[in-house]
Amino acid sequence: QMQLQESGPGLVKPSETLSLTCTVSGGSISSYYWSWIRQPAGKGLEWIGRIYTSGSTNYNPSLKSRLTMSADTSKNQFSLKLNSVTAADTAMYHCARENCSSTSCQLGFDYWGQGTLVTVSS
Amino acid sequence: DIQMTQSPSSLSASVGDRVTITCRASQSINNYLNWYQQKPGKAPKLLIYTASSLQSGVPSRFSGSGSGTDFTLTISSLQPEDFATYYCQQSYSTPRTFGQGTKVEIK
Repeated sequence: QMQLQESGPGLVKPSETLSLTCTVSGGSISSYYWSWIRQPAGKGLEWIGRIYTSGSTNYNPSLKSRLTMSADTSKNQFSLKLNSVTAADTAMYHCARENCSSTSCQLGFDYWGQGTLVTVSS
Repeated sequence: DIQMTQSPSSLSASVGDRVTITCRASQSINNYLNWYQQKPGKAPKLLIYTASSLQSGVPSRFSGSGSGTDFTLTISSLQPEDFATYYCQQSYSTPRTFGQGTKVEIK
């Protein structure tokens, strides 16, 4: 059974960079899209962006100027860096796999990490 | 961006009730619509993908329908463990977008 685990600092100061890593076990990260999704307390879900294991990325335009994603297939991990954070970036951050058929990767997010709470505060 | 609008935002229902949640996309998304269930403190769980396909392990009381811009999630007989928040999500294009959620509460 595939498992995803987010890791990184739980507290980030305003204007600094939020850095998270998702470690995947029970399967390879190859040949799938891997996303980051966040959820402020009591609010809905926001897709941040995704990376394919080739390194190809798609970012949410609302965050694109501050966002970098990368993947390390040797460690079966992928990562998120969001710079110039503000209190508005305080949220639970989840990593997730987007499932694929033989022709497309549009079958929903079928595996999720439990999430890691990131608070932006001085 | 494609806007996803769910209705209602919340509903109260009893065990055994039939429950329907709707989701409307701001443009046609063919059948690239997914449904999730989220319980407090937990990650969302995929229930239905591509509008009507039941994810493995999900009870058959959950079903989905629709295409184009209008979609529904139906729970045929609400069970105690179904009280949760439900989200729709389009996978037609990036950025992926979610509906605002529908909270199903106990009447």
